[in-house]
Amino acid sequence: KQEVTQIPAALSVPEGENLVLNCSFTDSAIYNLQWFRQDPGKGLTSLLLIQSSQREQTSGRLNASLDKSSGRSTLYIAASQPGDSATYLCAHNTNAGKSTFGDGTTLTVKP
Amino acid sequence: GAVVSQHPSRVICKSGTSVKIECRSLDFQATTMFWYRQFPKQSLMLMATSNEGSKATYEQGVEKDKFLINHASLTLSTLTVTSAHPEDSSFYICSAEGESGTQYFGPGTRLLVL
Repeated sequence: KQEVTQIPAALSVPEGENLVLNCSFTDSAIYNLQWFRQDPGKGLTSLLLIQSSQREQTSGRLNASLDKSSGRSTLYIAASQPGDSATYLCAHNTNAGKSTFGDGTTLTVKP
Repeated sequence: GAVVSQHPSRVICKSGTSVKIECRSLDFQATTMFWYRQFPKQSLMLMATSNEGSKATYEQGVEKDKFLINHASLTLSTLTVTSAHPEDSSFYICSAEGESGTQYFGPGTRLLVL
């Protein structure tokens, strides 16, 4: 059974710090991996999507990497801001269309 | 990029009523759509796979008679929570599969059953 694990479960950092969120998965038959942001009481916002043929994707202060061989993805956030405070979810997507989500990492950026 | 919408974004209802949630692919056709739910402080879990023109496939433990799924067109799938109870309160999200097999997620619907 596919498992997706996110570490740490919660993270608190001072404003301006760079940080890394981790996502590991057991199924190497990955089609793509997606990172989402979820704010309390709100829906998902897609941040980055990495195809299985890619190693990384960048959007602004965010950089996501994918290592299929080790079953890992990381989300790097540079120069964190209080507005980055949210829960970050990763989703492992197969070519059959099914997505398995991690439990998320709850990030708090303190001013 | 491809956009998936959900309606309503938030709904509050009384116990015993039925609630319908719509999932639409706005600028592409989706033969397959997926429905997920997320309980507080838990990850999103797949409920069912919705196929246009055929019956949905439900995951183990999901009651098909309680969560009715209809995928009547290539751009619309609906999830109806029948006789909703407080324990059905959750965050429901759909995704639609694009031509390339990429999943596009809707923004989600938050259901609160009183």
